[in-house]
Amino acid sequence: AQKVTQAQTEISVVEKEDVTLDCVYETRDTTYYLFWYKQPPSGELVFLIRRNSFDEQNEISGRYSWNFQKSTSSFNFTITASQVVDSAVYFCALSSSNYQLIWGAGTKLIIKP
Amino acid sequence: DVKVTQSSRYLVKRTGEKVFLECVQDMDHENMFWYRQDPGLGLRLIYFSYDVKMKEKGDIPEGYSVSREKKERFSLILESASTNQTSMYLCASSPGTPHHYNYGYTFGSGTRLTVV
Repeated sequence: AQKVTQAQTEISVVEKEDVTLDCVYETRDTTYYLFWYKQPPSGELVFLIRRNSFDEQNEISGRYSWNFQKSTSSFNFTITASQVVDSAVYFCALSSSNYQLIWGAGTKLIIKP
Repeated sequence: DVKVTQSSRYLVKRTGEKVFLECVQDMDHENMFWYRQDPGLGLRLIYFSYDVKMKEKGDIPEGYSVSREKKERFSLILESASTNQTSMYLCASSPGTPHHYNYGYTFGSGTRLTVV
């Protein structure tokens, strides 16, 4: 069975702190994709990153970085020097072969000024 | 800029009404999805469609139906609205060819439906 677990329901940090959001997945597929989405208070889910199962290189985009480790089935997301605008719900998702995404429950990130 | 447009941002309906939620995408995507999002329950798939006039049940189809008469439009229908269908409804689309199914989804901004 395929599954995505985001064990952190809510995280609260003070602005400028670094914060890591955890994502652990389960799949028997050898080829798969992992995603992170951001849902700000406005409601629309915004695509952040897609990573395929053959590419374990870490990725950095500005203050955002992602650590993909197949050995631990994890795809963690780190925000460096967090800002209030980073406050949102973040979802991790796993692709399946029938065009669907398997979603984690989401982590609500609160950045306090 | 590519878009998924949901016709209403906020909607208030009465119990027993028939409710239509409309979603239109301009990306020529094959796949379209309807989710509902509730606090603590994350995203739950109601229905999806991978082609015109095709539909597949998701995890929670009861009380809902869908219509896809044109490629760009995917409608969610609440046959007889009930208070437990008060929720945020999200529409999404994705390319559907075998080489593209892993591109992820583009989402609309959501419709917050309240049934009173």
